[in-house]
Amino acid sequence: EPEVTQTPSHQVTQMGQEVILRCVPISNHLYFYWYRQILGQKVEFLVSFYNNEISEKSEIFDDQFSVERPDGSNFTLKIRSTKLEDSAMYFCASSRDRGSEKLFFGSGTQLSVL
Amino acid sequence: GDSVTQMEGPVTLSEEAFLTINCTYTATGYPSLFWYVQYPGEGLQLLLKATKADDKGSNKGFEATYRKETTSFHLEKGSVQVSDSAVYFCARNSGYALNFGKGTSLLVTP
Repeated sequence: EPEVTQTPSHQVTQMGQEVILRCVPISNHLYFYWYRQILGQKVEFLVSFYNNEISEKSEIFDDQFSVERPDGSNFTLKIRSTKLEDSAMYFCASSRDRGSEKLFFGSGTQLSVL
Repeated sequence: GDSVTQMEGPVTLSEEAFLTINCTYTATGYPSLFWYVQYPGEGLQLLLKATKADDKGSNKGFEATYRKETTSFHLEKGSVQVSDSAVYFCARNSGYALNFGKGTSLLVTP
């Protein structure tokens, strides 16, 4: 079965550094998403992306965050200047159709900001 | 806002025990409701869903019924297996997004 892949599985960075989290969605999917889960808290929606633009974003997704689909296969999340509170598990997801009826998730990238 | 609340874990059961994981949702709009499962080292996978009141989602022996009167979508399984050990997430949709609960960790022992 096709799957969403995320790299790296673990990322450690210093506060203030830029990080890029990478995702390869399922090839025929058109909608892409980032979620995150801070330890002990809910899985939170960050952003959805369609047709090379953001379709929806949450309050969490401030100017420090950006997303990009630089080529036909990758979907990236960039955090410009990381803060301690950005430490979380970040999940990428994709779907073929609009809406959240069936999302396919990656296994996540654990980001640790020191 | 649109949210879900699920029971805190961890839940530890013996093999073949009955499982219930409670989930309630905020009653704004007419959401679809989901249970996702995350096995160790893997991503979240859709386990089952229900799109309207009184619908029952089922998969792999798990069931959940969309109860509008109690705004609930409790997950049940009659006889759990060791392989069911995972984290279970209740969710509802809100626009493009899914709103998840915190997740409930289930450990099934032989």
